[in-house]
Amino acid sequence: EADIYQTPRYLVIGTGKKITLECSQTMGHDKMYWYQQDPGMELHLIHYSYGVNSTEKGDLSSESTVSRIRTEHFPLTLESARPSHTSQYLCASSKIGSGNTIYFGEGSWLTVV
Amino acid sequence: GQQVMQIPQYQHVQEGEDFTTYCNSSTTLSNIQWYKQRPGGHPVFLIQLVKSGEVKKQKRLTFQFGEAKKNSSLHITATQTTDVGTYFCAGNFGNEKLTFGTGTRLTIIP
Repeated sequence: EADIYQTPRYLVIGTGKKITLECSQTMGHDKMYWYQQDPGMELHLIHYSYGVNSTEKGDLSSESTVSRIRTEHFPLTLESARPSHTSQYLCASSKIGSGNTIYFGEGSWLTVV
Repeated sequence: GQQVMQIPQYQHVQEGEDFTTYCNSSTTLSNIQWYKQRPGGHPVFLIQLVKSGEVKKQKRLTFQFGEAKKNSSLHITATQTTDVGTYFCAGNFGNEKLTFGTGTRLTIIP
């Protein structure tokens, strides 16, 4: 199993609240990702980073933002949560030159009421 | 754009029957990977295929990469209840970013 950790695992929050989903990996991977996935559905890449101070938007537009101040840490923030943000958010990482083999965290299930 | 199409979207099989999922890309891939996601879980890496025509086996699972490196398949022989989940292929187009297929959700009828 990969050493990539997400907190919280489950979160129920009211509309308009600000939330931060934490993600940390201890493998020293340069590349980190955030995917959004509704139950049983496709994986949508919303953010990725190839290293410290590098962040890019993914294929699916998202109102969330990310930061990469340290190699091991890649938090995702929603400034004002809405019910449409209800989903599972999966953090992942990979090592440059590994053929992009991706290791996923266990996910954060977000419910906005 | 660079897309990876995966079929079928759903597959229901009797326990003991075989199962196959297919991935297709319109452009050549540098490699293709397969992941399994159990219900309620997160995707877990299964295997990577790199060479044209490559075939790899993991117990009852057989993975193939097409000669043109544009398609791939995962075949499970004699399915078991532990095989339940969603299987994703993920294509690498050589641009350091994986593109996931839409996934095939496998359910097993005991």
